[in-house]
Amino acid sequence: DIVMTQSPDSLAVSLGERATINCKSSQSVLYSSNNKNYLAWYQQKPGQPPKLLIYWASTRESGVPDRFSGSGSGTDFTLTISSLQAEDVAVYYCQQYFNTLFTFGPGTKVEIK
Amino acid sequence: EVQLVESGGGLVQPGGSLRLSCAASGFSFSNYAMSWVRQPPGKGLEWVSALSGTDGSVYYADSVRGRFTISRDSSKNTLYLQMSSLRAEDTAIYYCAKVWGGYDPLLPFDHWGQGTLVTVSS
Repeated sequence: DIVMTQSPDSLAVSLGERATINCKSSQSVLYSSNNKNYLAWYQQKPGQPPKLLIYWASTRESGVPDRFSGSGSGTDFTLTISSLQAEDVAVYYCQQYFNTLFTFGPGTKVEIK
Repeated sequence: EVQLVESGGGLVQPGGSLRLSCAASGFSFSNYAMSWVRQPPGKGLEWVSALSGTDGSVYYADSVRGRFTISRDSSKNTLYLQMSSLRAEDTAIYYCAKVWGGYDPLLPFDHWGQGTLVTVSS
């Protein structure tokens, strides 16, 4: 199985400041034949199902604000919220879909400082 | 508008069985791969099972293989998860999820239902 790790476990950021979440996979999720990273980011607010934010490591899902961006390749990835808003308080998960034993990271809780 | 509505959760004794349903609407259900993902209360997400959109290939997490069976009834636009030999560690909210893009299961999940809670306890 591909093991996904995230750091930090939680972070508190002031409104309008940048939040950065890291995700690392135990093996590369870059598919050489199409040069795509099989990595997604989800946001989950309390009492709600997860919401897809980013796929192919850096493609923003339709309707997702452009303050959310994804980067990275191979085994190391980052989700950045450029200017944290109150509605961004949530837990964020990375997920690999490189193989059919899909795995999620443990989550990073983002709060307001 | 895509809608996924899970049902069938509840309290079950260890060793018991339960069948979850996910009613889908707003998209061509038979053409899309679908998955079940679970979340124990207060914990993270765990993928459980997937079903491809064309050839009916099925995939399972090691933790449920041999105990859970995923299936679909395209005439009813409904996804199922038959769960047997349930254990306390199967207690979770179970979400059904539609993949982005089509029949290939190797895609992210772009729509999720609200989930149904399964509690395994004596």
